[in-house]
Amino acid sequence: GENVEQHPSTLSVQEGDSAVIKCTYSDSASNYFPWYKQELGKRPQLIIDIRSNVGEKKDQRIAVTLNKTAKHFSLHITETQPEDSAVYFCAASIGSNYQLIWGAGTKLIIKP
Amino acid sequence: ETGVTQTPRHLVMGMTNKKSLKCEQHLGHNAMYWYKQSAKKPLELMFVYSLEERVENNSVPSRFSPECPNSSHLFLHLHTLQPEDSALYLCASSQVGRIDEQFFGPGTRLTVL
Repeated sequence: GENVEQHPSTLSVQEGDSAVIKCTYSDSASNYFPWYKQELGKRPQLIIDIRSNVGEKKDQRIAVTLNKTAKHFSLHITETQPEDSAVYFCAASIGSNYQLIWGAGTKLIIKP
Repeated sequence: ETGVTQTPRHLVMGMTNKKSLKCEQHLGHNAMYWYKQSAKKPLELMFVYSLEERVENNSVPSRFSPECPNSSHLFLHLHTLQPEDSALYLCASSQVGRIDEQFFGPGTRLTVL
């Protein structure tokens, strides 16, 4: 069945450095790719998303890139700050209006 | 708390107990979702209600029983659960068909002894 693989499972970076999280999807019909951030004990929150007609999207320090040919997309966080510490999830749409296929999450640790 | 609320936030139950999880959304949405979140695993969609009718049921064991009495409320009734059912149960809501505007609740941390 459809799946999304997310790497790495844990990422530790120095404050101020950049972080990159990568996801690969299997369904070539996927056309919507959101990224969610979940801080400890809190709800997942959408931080950025991209659709298949766009190759890159930026919002301040975060950006997402999409390579449809290779079926992978990545989250880039620049100038990391302590508040960026969280678990980040990628997801990809499938044929349903109600379902996303999710990655297993990346725990991002920002070292002071 | 506004948006999507869930009660209780924490629940410990024995395998023979019956309990219910409650979700309420204050966003005017008309689709509601139950997810199971286990450590280091992808989110698992359990049930979806659209306009108060169940539209998705992803092979969830019958010991989980959803109920959606109106577009603002969603319940998950639990009975004879197993220890492997221990997880964070997340509720979410959106407008019908707008998976890109899904808003999550804070979750109920369930422990089955």
